[in-house]
Amino acid sequence: AQSVAQPEDQVNVAEGNPLTVKCTYSVSGNPYLFWYVQYPNRGLQFLLKYITGDNLVKGSYGFEAEFNKSQTSFHLKKPSALVSDSALYFCAVRDKGYQKVTFGTGTKLQVIP
Amino acid sequence: GAGVSQSPSNKVTEKGKDVELRCDPISGHTALYWYRQSLGQGLEFLIYFQGNSAPDKSGLPSDRFSAERTGGSVSTLTIQRTQQEDSAVYLCASSLVGASGSGANVLTFGAGSRLTVL
Repeated sequence: AQSVAQPEDQVNVAEGNPLTVKCTYSVSGNPYLFWYVQYPNRGLQFLLKYITGDNLVKGSYGFEAEFNKSQTSFHLKKPSALVSDSALYFCAVRDKGYQKVTFGTGTKLQVIP
Repeated sequence: GAGVSQSPSNKVTEKGKDVELRCDPISGHTALYWYRQSLGQGLEFLIYFQGNSAPDKSGLPSDRFSAERTGGSVSTLTIQRTQQEDSAVYLCASSLVGASGSGANVLTFGAGSRLTVL
């Protein structure tokens, strides 16, 4: 079975400060890892993914995430938070040999002006 | 089409009635997924299709829930004898499978169907 854990229901950060949203995963094989964002009253949008290659992946809106195999983590980061980054963030995992995509419970990011 | 289309966008029904939710995926996307998002909750996996077959139905909450996909395209999620706990936003997503490139393995979501059971 595959699973994703997002240990923080909410993360608050001051505008201009770096932000981190945590994600750990469990799969039996090799993982494909994803971050999606849901802005208020809008649909889910893809941010970035790790499939293979460099452990540090860069995505939309200045976000990046680092794949850490030994810690089974894929934390989302941004060097300088914007108020417009306030949204609900979902981490997701897929076993490479399996098509099902499992999402975490989501982390609400609040960037304070 | 250009995106994933879901209908209806909003559905209010009475307890015990049947409802059908429709998803029209992006043309050429062979994988299609259904998720449920309840208020303040994460995304609950329901079912996914590869072509017209459903290799994993493990997320369907009960036998009142069923889904089908025809022609490798449109999918319908049916909920029979609706209950108040079925109230949620039902999200459909589609993706390319086995392809390379930036779009591979990425789920594109529809806007969702908000179901309210009174």
